[in-house]
Amino acid sequence: AQKITQTQPGMFVQEKEAVTLDCTYDTSDPSYGLFWYKQPSSGEMIFLIYQGSYDQQNATEGRYSLNFQKARKSANLVISASQLGDSAMYFCAMREGGVTDKLIFGTGTRLQVFP
Amino acid sequence: DAGVTQSPTHLIKTRGQQVTLRCSPKSGHDTVSWYQQALGQGPQFIFQYYEEEERQRGNFPDRFSGHQFPNYSSELNVNALLLGDSALYLCASSPGAGVGGELFFGEGSRLTVL
Repeated sequence: AQKITQTQPGMFVQEKEAVTLDCTYDTSDPSYGLFWYKQPSSGEMIFLIYQGSYDQQNATEGRYSLNFQKARKSANLVISASQLGDSAMYFCAMREGGVTDKLIFGTGTRLQVFP
Repeated sequence: DAGVTQSPTHLIKTRGQQVTLRCSPKSGHDTVSWYQQALGQGPQFIFQYYEEEERQRGNFPDRFSGHQFPNYSSELNVNALLLGDSALYLCASSPGAGVGGELFFGEGSRLTVL
């Protein structure tokens, strides 16, 4: 069965430093997509980055990059040059192949950026 | 360009009542999915709509039902509310189920059941 694991309940990082949030996944489907979302205290789920299972290169979106290691089934999010506004919950999610938008979410990591 | 919009943002109901939540997808999107997020947990998939039909459903009872309109907007209905239905309800839209990474969420509707 498909599963997403985020083993870091909380992370601290100093402003302007880089931070890596871990995510491992489990699926038997060769076609899948991996998503990272940011959820501030307001509740909105903000899309950050996407990686398809057949994408040859790691995805990047501004300060966000996804370290995709297919053999290890990991999809870690790297945030460079952290900002105070990055403090939020971060969720990793997976969508298996087919005509579906069903996402399986991990339990999330709470990131706190300090000055 | 408006993103995914949801209403109401907050509401309070009592046990046994019924509630309707609304979602307008991002312009150009025709597929809508609904998620329930209990406090301290990740979102759980409720169901997905496109072409005005429910196409896929998660592990939720029949008390949870939905509808999609010709303009692609959607409603989530929950009957016979239980205390455990208190949660943030998130709507997501995409330009086609399973296509790429364009899957965006709204700000959610926070439901409290007393």
